[in-house]
Amino acid sequence: KNEVEQSPQNLTAQEGEFITINCSYSVGISALHWLQQHPGGGIVSLFMLSSGKKKHGRLIATINIQEKHSSLHITASHPRDSAVYICAPHSGGSNYKLTFGKGTLLTVNP
Amino acid sequence: DTGVSQDPRHKITKRGQNVTFRCDPISEHNRLYWYRQTLGQGPEFLTYFQNEAQLEKSRLLSDRFSAERPKGSFSTLEIQRTEQGDSAMYLCASSTGTSGLTQFFGPGTRLTVL
Repeated sequence: KNEVEQSPQNLTAQEGEFITINCSYSVGISALHWLQQHPGGGIVSLFMLSSGKKKHGRLIATINIQEKHSSLHITASHPRDSAVYICAPHSGGSNYKLTFGKGTLLTVNP
Repeated sequence: DTGVSQDPRHKITKRGQNVTFRCDPISEHNRLYWYRQTLGQGPEFLTYFQNEAQLEKSRLLSDRFSAERPKGSFSTLEIQRTEQGDSAMYLCASSTGTSGLTQFFGPGTRLTVL
């Protein structure tokens, strides 16, 4: 069993729809990152959270440490949101290395 | 642009050749990470430096792989005797205690081994 499971693997939405991507993990963690990767490889960190909820523009991330689950929500989705979204917890320790999910490919159609 | 640069962006090589990649992190970042990403998968951890010290290496990093970070600034990742299975995107990321745990990623080097 993978340490980090994301669902769905692929998601197609119409512009304006509310999007939810889920992440479950099996390891104990100290924080979790949501990352965005556009075609061509570049990865951008969207959120790092260790409890509760964070909001940045149309993006909202939540985490439940006890249930080992996090969600990324996109409100009023737009075609420019099309990308791969990756959940990456890190288990603490002194190196803070990340363990990555396989990612969710989001396509938002106009 | 995150401030982390990698060179080259693309590398095509023949099996058996040696290749070297470079990563220039954000200047004040003392932590540097190398990850590898194959098609359709999330990245996987390869190795971690704190300043010039290489503090952790993944089992994925076989004897053909070596990484250095002289003087705690830029880092190089060398692959000797490349194999077709080495074809992947090699990503570098850096962070610092004052940025919390947020890692800033470079654009990656895409390696194709023919």
